[in-house]
Amino acid sequence: DVVMTQSPLSLPVTLGQPASISCRSSQSLVHSDGNTYLSWFHQRPGQSPRRLIYRVSNRDSGVPDRFSGSGSGTDFTLKISRVEAEDVGIYYCMQGTHSWTFGQGTKVEIK
Amino acid sequence: QVQLVESGGGVVQPGGSLRLSCAASGFTFSNHGMYWVRQAPGKGLEWVSHIQNDGSNKYYADSVKGRFTISRDNSKNTLYLQMNSLKPEDTAVYYCRAADGPFDNWGQGTLVTVSS
Repeated sequence: DVVMTQSPLSLPVTLGQPASISCRSSQSLVHSDGNTYLSWFHQRPGQSPRRLIYRVSNRDSGVPDRFSGSGSGTDFTLKISRVEAEDVGIYYCMQGTHSWTFGQGTKVEIK
Repeated sequence: QVQLVESGGGVVQPGGSLRLSCAASGFTFSNHGMYWVRQAPGKGLEWVSHIQNDGSNKYYADSVKGRFTISRDNSKNTLYLQMNSLKPEDTAVYYCRAADGPFDNWGQGTLVTVSS
């Protein structure tokens, strides 16, 4: 089974400053079809998750451009260029190359 | 607009059964793969099961394999999860998710509590 490891698990951030979350997989996420199925989700307290990024770097419709995804193989990163108050919550990476597995989640809070 | 509405959650004793439903609207249901994802109280997300758009292939997490069965009725725009031999560790909010490429939508979830 593929294990997804996120870091940090807790991320205090300052409004207007950048933030970055790392996600590492226990094996390469390059699919036999050539795609890399790595997504990022955001979940606010009491709400359903919302996908932000799919296939490493594709931003979902309506997602602000301050969110960006990058990486390849086994190492991936979600970056927020300037954190806003609405960005608090838990962020999850998820791989869909070898079945599906979520990371443990990273809690983002304002300092 | 896209809507996914889960139902069927509740309290059940260990060893019992429950059937969850997810009613879809606002999109062409038969064009999209569907998922069940769960979240235990205070915990992270866990993928449970996936079914392809035409129901031809189904996949399960090891934690539920042999106990849960995913199905869909494209004529009724509805996804199902039959849960048997329930264990206390199955206690969670169960989310229905429709996803394919740039399309990704989640329901509000239904709570399943397994307790004596």
